[in-house]
Amino acid sequence: DAGVTQSPTHLIKTRGQQVTLRCSPKSGHDTVSWYQQALGQGPQFIFQYYEEEERQRGNFPDRFSGHQFPNYSSELNVNALLLGDSALYLCASSPIREDEKLFFGSGTQLSVL
Amino acid sequence: DAKTTQPNSMESNEEEPVHLPCNHSTISGTDYIHWYRQLPSQGPEYVIHGLTSNVNNRMASLAIAEDRKSSTLILHRATLRDAAVYYCILRDVESNFGNEKLTFGTGTRLTIIP
Repeated sequence: DAGVTQSPTHLIKTRGQQVTLRCSPKSGHDTVSWYQQALGQGPQFIFQYYEEEERQRGNFPDRFSGHQFPNYSSELNVNALLLGDSALYLCASSPIREDEKLFFGSGTQLSVL
Repeated sequence: DAKTTQPNSMESNEEEPVHLPCNHSTISGTDYIHWYRQLPSQGPEYVIHGLTSNVNNRMASLAIAEDRKSSTLILHRATLRDAAVYYCILRDVESNFGNEKLTFGTGTRLTIIP
């Protein structure tokens, strides 16, 4: 079992550009959540996808959008990048069931110059 | 979201027990107490969770106060591989979609001294 896989591992972009990050959930998991982790901070919830729809959203602007595919994999898109978007972006997966633990990937380190 | 309070950092000697405290005085009746840890250059990893009773698994033990306003994660015999940031999180399970929204604080950075 490969667990949660994310790509790419590192990415460098410039202000104003757009970026797409990818996530494959753990086998058997149907929900995917995305988190942003700034340096020295805990992860902050961006949104959650289930059945190809956004189900919950954290306090992030519309520049952050996502998608879930029929095979449960997911993408995170960020438009009009700002310097403050530099962070580690984490993907987590779980089956849609109460109190189930989340499995996190190792993340994508995004640097915006 | 109910908040948790943890010390910023702790140190422990290798092969000794570690007690990581967490205060959650505003916890509601439907909040589970979850602990995750984040090793360097990795995503968070689930450690343990509980509702009212103390819990044990292969990684750790969770001791929950009778009034549920505090809890303690116990690592019985710390190793160098346990050096990580430990997060105490309250997770409300009264949600139509399983509530994957975890609210992380800044956690406790645990340093293990050889």
